[in-house]
Amino acid sequence: AQSVTQLGSHVSVSEGALVLLRCNYSSSVPPYLFWYVQYPNQGLQLLLKYTSAATLVKGINGFEAEFKKSETSFHLTKPSAHMSDAAEYFCAVSDLEDDKIIFGKGTRLHILP
Amino acid sequence: GAVVSQHPSRVICKSGTSVKIECRSLDFQATTMFWYRQFPKQSLMLMATSNEGSKATYEQGVEKDKFLINHASLTLSTLTVTSAHPEDSSFYICSAQHQMEQYFGPGTRLTVT
Repeated sequence: AQSVTQLGSHVSVSEGALVLLRCNYSSSVPPYLFWYVQYPNQGLQLLLKYTSAATLVKGINGFEAEFKKSETSFHLTKPSAHMSDAAEYFCAVSDLEDDKIIFGKGTRLHILP
Repeated sequence: GAVVSQHPSRVICKSGTSVKIECRSLDFQATTMFWYRQFPKQSLMLMATSNEGSKATYEQGVEKDKFLINHASLTLSTLTVTSAHPEDSSFYICSAQHQMEQYFGPGTRLTVT
């Protein structure tokens, strides 16, 4: 069964500092991997996704993630945090056999002034 | 493009009543839609997969008689929470499949009093 594990339910970084949100996946087949962002009381917005093309995926709002098969990881990074990045971030996995997306527990990103 | 709407955005109902939530794909047709439930400060849990013209497929542990799903057209899926109870209070999010990607609605906050 597919699953994702997000390390750290809360992450705090200073404005302008590097953002690193960790995600490890478990999948028996080559997965599709996603990062979504959710602002309070809103739906989900896709930040980026990996679909077996380039291992370094660039997304919106300056975020990027690198697929590392050897580490079964798909960590999300942003070089310089902005106050508007404060939100809940979800890593998710899907496979080619069905369209289900399985979400991690989420990481709340706090930006310190 | 690829916009998904939900209606209502918020609903308060009394215990024992039923409430219907609509999920619409505004600018594309979706043969497959998904319904998720999100408890406060938790991840999204897939409830069911809604296929146009056929019965929904429910995830294990989801009561199909309590959460009725109807996908009567290529742009509309509905979730009806029957005989609602306070424990059904939650944030319900739908998504619609389009060109191998899921697009999420803004969510519906259900409060059962």
